[in-house]
Amino acid sequence: AQSVAQPEDQVNVAEGNPLTVKCTYSVSGNPYLFWYVQYPNRGLQFLLKYITGDNLVKGSYGFEAEFNKSQTSFHLKKPSALVSDSALYFCAVRESTGNNRKLIWGLGTSLAVNP
Amino acid sequence: EAQVTQNPRYLITVTGKKLTVTCSQNMNHEYMSWYRQDPGLGLRQIYYSMNVEVIDKGDVPEGYKVSRKEKRNFPLILESPSPNQTSLYFCASSFNRENYGYTFGSGTRLTVV
Repeated sequence: AQSVAQPEDQVNVAEGNPLTVKCTYSVSGNPYLFWYVQYPNRGLQFLLKYITGDNLVKGSYGFEAEFNKSQTSFHLKKPSALVSDSALYFCAVRESTGNNRKLIWGLGTSLAVNP
Repeated sequence: EAQVTQNPRYLITVTGKKLTVTCSQNMNHEYMSWYRQDPGLGLRQIYYSMNVEVIDKGDVPEGYKVSRKEKRNFPLILESPSPNQTSLYFCASSFNRENYGYTFGSGTRLTVV
């Protein structure tokens, strides 16, 4: 079955420290992988995607993600966290079969950056 | 400004009273979709539309209707709302189905009592 797992409900990090939000996936074929962020009382915003090419993908707001095929992971990273990065982060993978090819979403990880 | 606009932001209604949540985008996007977001269940797709008059069911379409008579608008209709439809709803759009950089609306928090 196609799925996305975000193993941590919450991640806490001090401002200025590096952050990692984890994501693993299960899908047949080559995965299309995505990260979105949801700030309080807002809709989701697209951060970055991996389709093909370099395993390290750079996105908005200084975030990057590393695709690891052998570990079926797509962890989101940032070298130095800001308090304003505190939000809910969603990983998603594109469905590899069917007509819809919709995104399959993880349940989200709440990131808290402490000053 | 390029955006997806949903209205209303908040809505409290009673069981059985028909309601419509509007969604409009100004980016000439072909693909539009409705999601509901519930704690512990994440985002679930209700309906999606690949273009005008082209509509398909998502994962949880029961109890909902949509229409796509114009490219920019994709309203969500609850003919007879029930308490289990209390949720946070999001409309999203993208250039086409293969472009997954969705633009989301700000959400509609619906409470059915």
